[in-house]
Amino acid sequence: QVQLQEWGPGLVKPSETLSLTCTVSGGSISDYYWSWIRQPPGKGLEWIGYIYYSGGTKYNPSLKSRVTISVDMSKNQFSLKLSSVTAADTALFYCARADAGYYYAMDVWGPGTTVTVSS
Amino acid sequence: DIQMTQSPSSLSASVGDRVTITCRASQSIGKYLNWYQQKPGKAPKLLIYAASSLQSGVPSRFSGSGPGTDFTLTISSLQPEDFATYYCQQSYSTPFTFGPGTKVDIK
Repeated sequence: QVQLQEWGPGLVKPSETLSLTCTVSGGSISDYYWSWIRQPPGKGLEWIGYIYYSGGTKYNPSLKSRVTISVDMSKNQFSLKLSSVTAADTALFYCARADAGYYYAMDVWGPGTTVTVSS
Repeated sequence: DIQMTQSPSSLSASVGDRVTITCRASQSIGKYLNWYQQKPGKAPKLLIYAASSLQSGVPSRFSGSGPGTDFTLTISSLQPEDFATYYCQQSYSTPFTFGPGTKVDIK
């Protein structure tokens, strides 16, 4: 059974770069799309972007200039970098797996990790 | 971007009630519509994919309809564990977008 786990600093200073990693266990990173989604406190879900296991990426244009998603197949991990953060980037961040065979539905999610942007 | 709307934004219902949530896309998205359930402090859980396909392990009281621009999620007989927030999401084109959510609570 595939499981995802996000990890990274819980506190980031304004103007710095937020970095998170998602470890995939119980299955291969191959053949799927790997997404990052965020949820500000008390608000809804926002898709940040995804990476295909072979390296192709798609980002949300609202964040595109600040976002980089990468994959490390040797470690079965993928990562998110969000630069020039502000307090508006404070959120619960989730990683998730999307399956093209399931109309790109996100069928496996990590438990989420909270990132606070504050000096 | 494809905009997703949901109605109602919240509803109160009793155990055993039939509940219907509506989701509308700003353009036709075929069957590329998914439904998630989120409980407080938990990650979203996929319930329905491709508008009407039940995700493995999800109770059969959940059902979805589509395709096109108007979609519904129906819970045929609400159970205590179903009180949660429900989100629709389009995966027709990037950026994938979610509806604002429908909170289902106890009457």
